[in-house]
Amino acid sequence: AQKITQTQPGMFVQEKEAVTLDCTYDTSDPSYGLFWYKQPSSGEMIFLIYQGSYDQQNATEGRYSLNFQKARKSANLVISASQLGDSAMYFCAMRGLPSGSARQLTFGSGTQLTVLP
Amino acid sequence: DSGVTQTPKHLITATGQRVTLRCSPRSGDLSVYWYQQSLDQGLQFLIQYYNGEERAKGNILERFSAQQFPDLHSELNLSSLELGDSALYFCASSVAGQGGWSGELFFGEGSRLTVL
Repeated sequence: AQKITQTQPGMFVQEKEAVTLDCTYDTSDPSYGLFWYKQPSSGEMIFLIYQGSYDQQNATEGRYSLNFQKARKSANLVISASQLGDSAMYFCAMRGLPSGSARQLTFGSGTQLTVLP
Repeated sequence: DSGVTQTPKHLITATGQRVTLRCSPRSGDLSVYWYQQSLDQGLQFLIQYYNGEERAKGNILERFSAQQFPDLHSELNLSSLELGDSALYFCASSVAGQGGWSGELFFGEGSRLTVL
């Protein structure tokens, strides 16, 4: 079974500052992928970043980076230079790799980020 | 635009009724996933289809059923609706369903169901 825990129901950050959204996970799969999705108030789910469990380096996508600490089973999302448009719900998710394991994404409960002007 | 199309975007119906939600995956994607997002349960995986066959089942009620057609579009049927079924229903697609790493799921914009 897989479990994702996001302990921050809500976070506030000042515009142009960096913010870290926490995510811890638990899985019995030897290989797995970790994802972050953004859900603005309009409702759609937008993929942000992916980290494979065997990737040697932390993933980065523009202003998003994933602080992956495998021993601690954490996959925190770092957003640099926050913008007002970053205000949204952020979900951490995971899935096992590849065949023979659960392939659907398991989601955490989400963190509501509000960027203050 | 993710390339995944869901219809209808909004649906209001009464308890006891039956509705069908439709999903067209991205071109070339063989896997379709259905998720339910409600305020109290968060994002819950319902069911996955790969190339027309059921691949995995999650927390899907017996009143709910789904299928994937030869053209790869999928439908989620919700029957004997209850107030608690009010939620945002997402469809997502990915390239592969077995073997190999297929990357992220691409989500549609969701179908918001309100049961009165």
